[in-house]
Amino acid sequence: NAGVTQTPKFQVLKTGQSMTLQCAQDMNHNSMYWYRQDPGMGLRLIYYSASEGTTDKGEVPNGYNVSRLNKREFSLRLESAAPSQTSVYFCASSRRRGQGNEKLFFGSGTQLSVL
Amino acid sequence: QKEVEQNSGPLSVPEGAIASLNCTYSDRGSQSFFWYRQYSGKSPELIMFIYSNGDKEDGRFTAQLNKASQYVSLLIRDSQPSDSATYLCAVNIPSGGSYIPTFGRGTSLIVHP
Repeated sequence: NAGVTQTPKFQVLKTGQSMTLQCAQDMNHNSMYWYRQDPGMGLRLIYYSASEGTTDKGEVPNGYNVSRLNKREFSLRLESAAPSQTSVYFCASSRRRGQGNEKLFFGSGTQLSVL
Repeated sequence: QKEVEQNSGPLSVPEGAIASLNCTYSDRGSQSFFWYRQYSGKSPELIMFIYSNGDKEDGRFTAQLNKASQYVSLLIRDSQPSDSATYLCAVNIPSGGSYIPTFGRGTSLIVHP
């Protein structure tokens, strides 16, 4: 099993450019998440999708949009990239919606630099 | 105040010692507690989870949970240089009928020979 697959692994953008980070999971999980990780900040939640067809804002949603394309795929879009969005982005998934004991499965991450 | 707090460290311990990592959380409705290990440049990997008050042991790792004090810890016995990593505490915090996995800032652990 591939688990959680993220693309691309690295990306350099210029300020104002747009891009979409792709994420797919093959574990039949209901819930999917996008986090960003900055030095000394841990993982901060950008958006999540508790189940197919729903999306909700997390702690740091400004400047991002998401699409839960189907049960497998959850994409993150930067419409107009800013240097403050330079970060490492992780996609994650968990099995069941609304359950408090579900652990996360992570993708390998995307290192994004905005110049 | 962040909902999940950790001391960022670094915590430096000699090889063979016990490393003690601590985490506090603010929401009493939180249900599940996780410790992830993250090596530099890699994604987090789950090493322990705990749901009930008390201790849970898995090999060299022991997770401890005290819901009354809103405190969870991770003990690593016989620490090895390979344990050097950042340890992330995560708490499933209730929100709108679901649970949101919320992370602390992470504690950097250095095990020196």
